[in-house]
Amino acid sequence: EDQVTQSPEALRLQEGESSSLNCSYTVSGLRGLFWYRQDPGKGPEFLFTLYSAGEEKEKERLKATLTKKESFLHITAPKPEDSATYLCAVRGTSYGKLTFGQGTILTVHP
Amino acid sequence: GAVVSQHPSWVICKSGTSVKIECRSLDFQATTMFWYRQFPKQSLMLMATSNEGSKATYEQGVEKDKFLINHASLTLSTLTVTSAHPEDSSFYICSARGRGGPDTQYFGPGTRLTVL
Repeated sequence: EDQVTQSPEALRLQEGESSSLNCSYTVSGLRGLFWYRQDPGKGPEFLFTLYSAGEEKEKERLKATLTKKESFLHITAPKPEDSATYLCAVRGTSYGKLTFGQGTILTVHP
Repeated sequence: GAVVSQHPSWVICKSGTSVKIECRSLDFQATTMFWYRQFPKQSLMLMATSNEGSKATYEQGVEKDKFLINHASLTLSTLTVTSAHPEDSSFYICSARGRGGPDTQYFGPGTRLTVL
């Protein structure tokens, strides 16, 4: 059974204070690791897809990296508008469905 | 990026009535659509997966007769909550994946269902 564990559960940062979110996973035959951002009362917004160890992707202040066991979402010089829940999900060979972690609630204070 | 819409964004109904939620992929053809349920401060729980023109596949513990899913076309899927009860109150989110190209799932904005 595919499993995803995200840490920390919650993270509070000051504006400009860089940090990283962790996503540890076990999956049979990784077909993709996905990062989403979810604001309260809204659906998840797609950020990145990573397919193989060593792959990295960037978007504005966010950078996602992937190893064989975990992924990191690095946030550089965050701003208050980066506050949200960040969800990590994997797709294995199990009928193509995503397995989600519990998410990390990020709060960035001005 | 690809856009997925849901309608309505929120609905309040009386216990015992049925509610239909629509999910549309606006700028791509969705060969597969997914329906999720999310409780406050929890992650997404997959309810069912549907492919265009075929019956939905439900996750274990999800009642097929209560949550009717129809994927009638490559751009539309509907979820009907039949004989809704207060315990069905939740945030329902659909997701769509297109044919060809990157296999990313794009999510709709969600529908808040409140059953009185």
